[in-house]
Amino acid sequence: AQSVTQLGSHVSVSEGALVLLRCNYSSSVPPYLFWYVQYPNQGLQLLLKYTTGATLVKGINGFEAEFKKSETSFHLTKPSAHMSDAAEYFCAVSSSARQLTFGSGTQLTVLP
Amino acid sequence: DTGVSQNPRHKITKRGQNVTFRCDPISEHNRLYWYRQTLGQGPEFLTYFQNEAQLEKSRLLSDRFSAERPKGSFSTLEIQRTEQGDSAMYLCASSSSGGETEAFFGQGTRLTVV
Repeated sequence: AQSVTQLGSHVSVSEGALVLLRCNYSSSVPPYLFWYVQYPNQGLQLLLKYTTGATLVKGINGFEAEFKKSETSFHLTKPSAHMSDAAEYFCAVSSSARQLTFGSGTQLTVLP
Repeated sequence: DTGVSQNPRHKITKRGQNVTFRCDPISEHNRLYWYRQTLGQGPEFLTYFQNEAQLEKSRLLSDRFSAERPKGSFSTLEIQRTEQGDSAMYLCASSSSGGETEAFFGQGTRLTVV
């Protein structure tokens, strides 16, 4: 069984400030980890993924995430928030060749 | 190919009616997934196809739900005797083989049961 916990359903940051969205996972086998972004009434777009190898993963739009096995975490960061980053962010885990298990999401608000 | 396509984008139906949604995956992808997303929640897995074979179904997929993928191309998701609790966004995704590969999502079909 696998699960994902996203701490903080709503996060607000000022434009230009650091973005930190937290994700902890549970998986009985080595996981594949993903962050997706969703804009209103849209599907999900992949930001980045960890499969194997380097634990610091860089994605699109300046986002990155670090896989920490000892902490079972995969937190998403961005050094400087832009207004266009306002959206809902989902962390997901897959430990097989099949479905993703998603967290409940974090709504990011960027304040001017 | 412009990505995963879902139709319709929005569907309003009366309780008790049947509805059918269609998903056209990225053409070279052999895996197709259906997810359901309710307000304020992350997507929840419903079912998964590899080519035309339906390999896995979630407990969420009650007897009123049926999915098909004839010839391993497009897929349909039918809900019979809709209930208000079926109101949600239904998302389709496709991927190539391998659990580490990215799933590409469509824009979803928003179902409202009145």
